[in-house]
Amino acid sequence: GEDVEQSLFLSVREGDSSVINCTYTDSSSTYLYWYKQEPGAGLQLLTYIFSNMDMKQDQRLTVLLNKKDKHLSLRIADTQTGDSAIYFCAEESPMDNFNKFYFGSGTKLNVKP
Amino acid sequence: DADVTQTPRNRITKTGKRIMLECSQTKGHDRMYWYRQDPGLGLRLIYYSFDVKDINKGEISDGYSVSRQAQAKFSLSLESAIPNQTALYFCATSAHDQPQHFGDGTRLSIL
Repeated sequence: GEDVEQSLFLSVREGDSSVINCTYTDSSSTYLYWYKQEPGAGLQLLTYIFSNMDMKQDQRLTVLLNKKDKHLSLRIADTQTGDSAIYFCAEESPMDNFNKFYFGSGTKLNVKP
Repeated sequence: DADVTQTPRNRITKTGKRIMLECSQTKGHDRMYWYRQDPGLGLRLIYYSFDVKDINKGEISDGYSVSRQAQAKFSLSLESAIPNQTALYFCATSAHDQPQHFGDGTRLSIL
């Protein structure tokens, strides 16, 4: 299968920016996603970017895609304690008649007050 | 996501028991999925279904079976549970070429 890699932990102070990074291997990815998982909850879709874009901004969230390096990042501006969660990167790749999702192992973001 | 409901939310059972996890959705999506989540491993796909009567194996289907009883319902069964199937299980749904939407998960512990 495809590989989607993320660092396991990130710790920031409240008010700082957080940058969560992700690398992937499939150059035929169509969409790339960021999901957020809070304790005891499922995965909540945060944002996604089409593979022919290099940036997408949505309020405090900025997604950057470097398709040449197969690198995706999620920047959270003015990080709040409520942003503490696990963040999953996922790529959607065409496979026969099915677009399969490949998930990274998740980055646990800890926001200190 | 309240549109994708998983039951039960938590289950503790013994080795060898048969267990069924249920998923129902009100999103009207035709595609449904079952994943398991283990610490440090992300999500791994167990089974997926594009429609009623369509069932496909994912990357880790051994020891599991599924049933798509209706467009809105997709259940996952462990025929004879074993301890290494202890995990957090997620159901997801999607429309064609759209992101997947997840339920809140079922935490399953097998003793």
